[in-house]
Amino acid sequence: DVQLVQSGAEVGKPTESLRISCKVSGYTFTNYWIAWVRQMPGKGLEWMGIIHPGDSETSYSPSFQGQVTMSVDKSINTAYLYWSILKPSDTATYYCARLPAPDYPVFDFWGQGTMVTVSS
Amino acid sequence: QSALTQPRSVSGTPGRSVTISCTGTSSDVGGYNYVSWYQQHPGKAPKLIIYDVTKRPPGVPHRFSGSKSGNTASLTISGLQAGDEADYYCCSKAGSYIVIFGGGTTLTVL
Repeated sequence: DVQLVQSGAEVGKPTESLRISCKVSGYTFTNYWIAWVRQMPGKGLEWMGIIHPGDSETSYSPSFQGQVTMSVDKSINTAYLYWSILKPSDTATYYCARLPAPDYPVFDFWGQGTMVTVSS
Repeated sequence: QSALTQPRSVSGTPGRSVTISCTGTSSDVGGYNYVSWYQQHPGKAPKLIIYDVTKRPPGVPHRFSGSKSGNTASLTISGLQAGDEADYYCCSKAGSYIVIFGGGTTLTVL
């Protein structure tokens, strides 16, 4: 069975760094892109960007370019989302999802979400 | 790039039908037949229910159907059930390596 399992809830302080993860199983990691999607409290879904696990090619939404960094570790079938400087406005639930092509919006499997809370 | 426009909320009674619209531009919804829809129950991850404007993934009931006319895509849910009460999001290709979501619609089953 295809599964995307995300790391647990995180609490961080402004200016701290943070990395969350998305471990996949049940399919060949390098055959699909991984997308990251933000959902702020009580708000809608926002596409943050995508990464290809095969060659780490990335594409970021203009709204998130420079704010986060996506990466993968092919050896352990895991994708990461990293903040070097957290802000209170980063408080949200973050989802990873797989898609077959970089701009083909078919997110057929999703992680369960990671809630990130940024507060001093 | 602004989110695709969806009504904030819709409602319907059990057994009836509702339609949720998703309006974009010729650069996204109108420019490609790559519109998908997602259902999200509170506290849960989104679930794909329609892709390529009209196609249903395995296991999604035929009660869910999609269509598109010009720059507006639509999701129709027929034979409403209590379990359909959820948030619904449209999503479209919006250029090379770019995807955009709608603002979301809350469906209430009265």
